[in-house]
Amino acid sequence: AQTVTQSQPEMSVQEAETVTLSCTYDTSESDYYLFWYKQPPSRQMILVIRQEAYKQQNATENRFSVNFQKAAKSFSLKISDSQLGDAAMYFCAYRGTQGGSEKLVFGKGTKLTVNP
Amino acid sequence: ETGVTQSPTHLIKTRGQQVTLRCSSQSGHNTVSWYQQALGQGPQFIFQYYREEENGRGNFPPRFSGLQFPNYSSELNVNALELDDSALYLCASSGAWGYGYTFGSGTRLTVV
Repeated sequence: AQTVTQSQPEMSVQEAETVTLSCTYDTSESDYYLFWYKQPPSRQMILVIRQEAYKQQNATENRFSVNFQKAAKSFSLKISDSQLGDAAMYFCAYRGTQGGSEKLVFGKGTKLTVNP
Repeated sequence: ETGVTQSPTHLIKTRGQQVTLRCSSQSGHNTVSWYQQALGQGPQFIFQYYREEENGRGNFPPRFSGLQFPNYSSELNVNALELDDSALYLCASSGAWGYGYTFGSGTRLTVV
């Protein structure tokens, strides 16, 4: 079974600084998708960034980028120029390609605090 | 895009009762999934529906059941509620495969 581990329960960053959130996963599949979701106090999961495992190039979305290391099964999220609105829970998630179900497997999350 | 809406936002039920949670998926999304998120945890997959048929289920007992309707709405039903069922229940819909889910804001269920 696939598992996702986020080893940092909490992280803090100064406004305008850069922070990196860690995620590792375990799978026997060769093709899969990885996601970072943000969950603010409003509770809605918001997709931050996605990465296809077959792509070697790291995904980037504005201030958000990932460091995808397939062999190490590592998928970290870098937030540049942190803003107060970035404060939230961040969840790393995995989705495999085998079988008909498209279920997401989530980590336990990292609470990010942004200090002014 | 209309997004994903869930109702109600909060609910309090008594142990042993039954509850129905509702979700209106994003227009055009024919896959809907339900997740349970306990306090301080990541969401756990309950089940998924594709074109009104269940096509995947997580480690949840049969008292958790669902329905999906042709109008992109769906329901999660939980019978014989237990205290441990207290959680945030998230609905998520997906259109094209691999593009991630669109989540609703969830229903906070408290079982007393």
